[in-house]
Amino acid sequence: DIVMTQTPLSSPVTLGQPASISCRSSQSLVHSDGNTYLSWLQQRPGQPPRLLIYKISNRFSGVPDRFSGSGAGTDFTLKISRVEAEDVGVYYCMQATQFPLWTFGQGTKVEIK
Amino acid sequence: QVQLVQSGAEVKKPGASVKVSCKASGYTFTGYYMHWVRQAPGQGLEWMGWINPNSGGTNYAQKFQGRVTMTRDTSISTAYMELSRLRSDDTAVYYCARLQWLVRGLDYWGQGTLVTVSS
Repeated sequence: DIVMTQTPLSSPVTLGQPASISCRSSQSLVHSDGNTYLSWLQQRPGQPPRLLIYKISNRFSGVPDRFSGSGAGTDFTLKISRVEAEDVGVYYCMQATQFPLWTFGQGTKVEIK
Repeated sequence: QVQLVQSGAEVKKPGASVKVSCKASGYTFTGYYMHWVRQAPGQGLEWMGWINPNSGGTNYAQKFQGRVTMTRDTSISTAYMELSRLRSDDTAVYYCARLQWLVRGLDYWGQGTLVTVSS
């Protein structure tokens, strides 16, 4: 199975400042169809997860443009350009390239300093 | 609008089984795979498997093979996840989530069902 490793596990950030989360996969996430099925999810306290980014860099409907994704192959990054109070929560990367088995990263907690 | 509404919290004894339901509305139920994900208290997300509501085909994470069964009832647009031989470490919130196949993203989630396993 593909193992997803996120760093850091915790990220204290000042409001208005940027935040960055890294996600590394144990194997390339490039699918045989040429796509890379790496997504990012946000889980606010007490809420179910929410899809933020799919296929590395595409924002899902309604996601603010302060969220951006980048990367290729085995290394990926989620960036928040200016952290707002509502961004507090845990962020997960997820791979869906290795059909039929999906795996999540262990999560990164974003909190306000 | 798309909604996934799950059944209520459950308390079970070790060795028992639990069946969680996930009722879909606002879209064509048979057009999207349904995944199940769980989250133990204070822990991360753990993928359990999926069901194709159209064919009934399933695939489970190896960890749950032999203990989990995912089914569906297309007449009422509802997916089910049954976990048997429950242990205390199965205590978790269980989520259903719809898969948007073209982008392989879990785009809509249920509210979660807390299953507590305790003697």
